[in-house]
Amino acid sequence: SQQGEEDPQALSIQEGENATMNCSYKTSINNLQWYRQNSGRGLVHLILIRSNEREKHSGRLRVTLDTSKKSSSLLITASRAADTASYFCATDNGNTGKLIFGQGTTLQVKP
Amino acid sequence: NAGVTQTPKFQVLKTGQSMTLQCAQDMNHEYMSWYRQDPGMGLRLIHYSVGAGITDQGEVPNGYNVSRSTTEDFPLRLLSAAPSQTSVYFCASKEGGQGLDEQYFGPGTRLTVT
Repeated sequence: SQQGEEDPQALSIQEGENATMNCSYKTSINNLQWYRQNSGRGLVHLILIRSNEREKHSGRLRVTLDTSKKSSSLLITASRAADTASYFCATDNGNTGKLIFGQGTTLQVKP
Repeated sequence: NAGVTQTPKFQVLKTGQSMTLQCAQDMNHEYMSWYRQDPGMGLRLIHYSVGAGITDQGEVPNGYNVSRSTTEDFPLRLLSAAPSQTSVYFCASKEGGQGLDEQYFGPGTRLTVT
């Protein structure tokens, strides 16, 4: 069964706007990761946040984690057309490397 | 480094046929895994390996076999293909068995079973 549920399923914005995607999960976790998938390609790791962290930044990406609500959000600031992709959250609940993925958010950034 | 490579990129099988999807990595990663991706379902873990000679089942292992005779290679075998196995298959690797490392994904194999 899927661990994560992502919201929204699809998001369309204009270039320069911010994009926020949310991920909820069901069981306790050791870490949560975000991946990007361009159409027809493999997944690329974006950022990892540990269960004892609340916020993490990487370039234009900001990830938050609320373990009490079992949720995470990914914010992409000043979006670009090249950010058009699907974004997935994935949880690891045992430091085993066995990732459980959400269904993904499809982001379209219009130039 | 080539990273994670997968062959073939596309494959069409008839129901009942068997085949092997190849996966190789040149990063000396201990951990390798196979996922399938279906529309609207995200990725689901099929099998994984924490090192040569060690494999274990993931979320959806039925109908698939794996082996890990070397660190570099992790082939996925479909024993008797079924239409329900039509999917995109991704292989991934990472440095160790601990979950704090990012996973590197191959480009995928698109499989159609008719």
